This record gives sequence, structure tokens and C-alpha cells, in this order.
Amino acid sequence: DAKTTQPTSMDCAEGRAANLPCNHSTISGNEYVYWYRQIHSQGPQYIIHGLKNNETNEMASLIITEDRKSSTLILPHATLRDTAVYYCIVRAQGGSEKLVFGKGTKLTVNP
Amino acid sequence: ETGVTQTPRHLVMGMTNKKSLKCEQHLGHNAMYWYKQSAKKPLELMFVYNFKEQTENNSVPSRFSPECPNSSHLFLHLHTLQPEDSALYLCASSQAAADYNEQFFGPGTRLTVL
Repeated sequence: DAKTTQPTSMDCAEGRAANLPCNHSTISGNEYVYWYRQIHSQGPQYIIHGLKNNETNEMASLIITEDRKSSTLILPHATLRDTAVYYCIVRAQGGSEKLVFGKGTKLTVNP
Repeated sequence: ETGVTQTPRHLVMGMTNKKSLKCEQHLGHNAMYWYKQSAKKPLELMFVYNFKEQTENNSVPSRFSPECPNSSHLFLHLHTLQPEDSALYLCASSQAAADYNEQFFGPGTRLTVL
């Protein structure tokens, strides 16, 4: 079972920031927060991950609350090509636990 | 070619046919995975291979038979499938089997069983 809760769907205007929330209230101290996305009819794509500090890369920023019970993925300037299902996953790094994809958030970027 | 490639991208087969899906990774990874994604359902892990050895079979029916001849290639042999096996089959790879986190996925094979 997925350990995260995400909204089923969200909309965002092209060029604006897309903020995707994720609740993971039962996260353990050694578990990281990972984000993947899946564009329609393609394989999932790794986006970013973090433990407790905020992280940023060329694709997105990840903001993790101080209590680590929730996080937000930020796409600073959403484009139409960012329309996809976004998955928030928590698990320990390097462990043998399966990567469990939940239902994710369907983000639609509108022109 | 870079990344993870899968062939064919689309496959239609009858229930009595035998076909194979192919996956190849050009990333120098040592672990490869097969996933199944049915319509409106989360991704389901099917098999895990680490250094050519199968390390996980997630209760997959025997009509799905994986083969990993080397760390770069992974096959999924299909025989006597059922219509409910129609799905997107995704291959992924990672540096090692412990790295479930940072997996790189192929584009998938869209399978339709008639």
C-alpha cells in the first residue's frame, strides 16, 4: 500500500507555478520522499527526492515540512508538456522494499 | 540509443499466440525490472533481476516468463495470455537492485490480448 496521500487531480495555467502537495504522515526517520511523473503512454520519469532539506534541480523544487509529514513539489513555470500523473513515494534509500506507486495526481496544464 | 528502450511499442496477440517483449538498457546498470500497468490501476512490480539473477517474482502467473541473458537485456516471454493481461508493460533499470528509488523507465509496450 502506498504510504502517501495526494489529490486526484489539479489544474494549472501555462507559465504559472504548479504546486503539488503530498501527505506522508507516517513517514519514518530513514525514509526519503521521491517524486516521479508519468506522461500519458510513457514510462515514469524520476524528478527529484529529498530527506528533510528542501531540494532543487533543473526540473523542480521539493519543499518538505519541518515535521516531514508533508511535502510539495513545485514546477516553477509549468508548460503544456508537464501535463502528467505525478507520484509521491516514500521509502528508505537502499533498502529492499518495493517502489510502490499510488494513484498520483493528474496535473493538467492549460494554455 | 540512450536510456532504456523497449520493443515492440505496441503488440496485439491472440490468446494462443507466443510472443516476447524486449528491453535493453544503455546505462550500465545492473538491475532490471518488469512492471505492469493496467488501465486506471497503479504500477505493479512483476519481476526483479540483479546481475542477471532473478531476485523477485511478485506472484506473477507462469504464462509470463522472464529471461535476463545479461545485465543489459531483459525479455518477457508471453504465452496463452488472457484478455485481462492487456496492459502497458514497462521495463526499468537501476544501478543495483537496492536502488528501487532511482529507476529509469522505458517507454513501455502496449499489449492487447484478443
